[in-house]
Amino acid sequence: DARVTQTPRHKVTEMGQEVTMRCQPILGHNTVFWYRQTMMQGLELLAYFRNRAPLDDSGMPKDRFSAEMPDATLATLKIQPSEPRDSAVYFCASGPSSLVETQYFGPGTRLLVL
Amino acid sequence: DQQVKQNSPSLSVQEGRISILNCDYTNSMFDYFLWYKKYPAEGPTFLISISSIKDKNEDGRFTVFLNKSAKHLSLHIVPSQPGDSAVYFCAASDTGTASKLTFGTGTRLQVTL
Repeated sequence: DARVTQTPRHKVTEMGQEVTMRCQPILGHNTVFWYRQTMMQGLELLAYFRNRAPLDDSGMPKDRFSAEMPDATLATLKIQPSEPRDSAVYFCASGPSSLVETQYFGPGTRLLVL
Repeated sequence: DQQVKQNSPSLSVQEGRISILNCDYTNSMFDYFLWYKKYPAEGPTFLISISSIKDKNEDGRFTVFLNKSAKHLSLHIVPSQPGDSAVYFCAASDTGTASKLTFGTGTRLQVTL
């Protein structure tokens, strides 16, 4: 049963600390997305990659957030330094290049910045 | 500015009755729309989609209606079942595919016995 995996599932940290979230896309999927879910904004697209190259990161606060795909099996989202307003659930999703139907979401990382 | 709006944060429906979830959008360039269902502690899962060239798409108990002139879509679930209790997100794309989706804030559906 192929699925997107995300680690850690939960993270509590203090303001100013670096946070790294990891995602393993479904094998064979070459498009990877990072979303943030908050109560007020719903699901916001932060960034997405195709064939490991960033296609769009306009939704991401550039001063503190960075997203990379070191290889085809790993995507990372880093926040440095973290702030309380970054508290949210962060989802990774992957899909084939055609994306005719849908993206497949991971279970999310719940981040709390104190 | 929220381009995809789900104005009802929650909805309660009796088992066996129809659930109608609504979604409005403002961007006339959107040409592909999807509904996702989300259970607690899980990621959203795809439910049903519709292209702007259609006004209705049906899949079992789920039907999505699109009214382009009103920039409105709705998801009908008939009959509603307790397992349908979840948060439902409406999403839209201007690429004709499921890439670069803009999501609404979600509607929590509670199906009661």
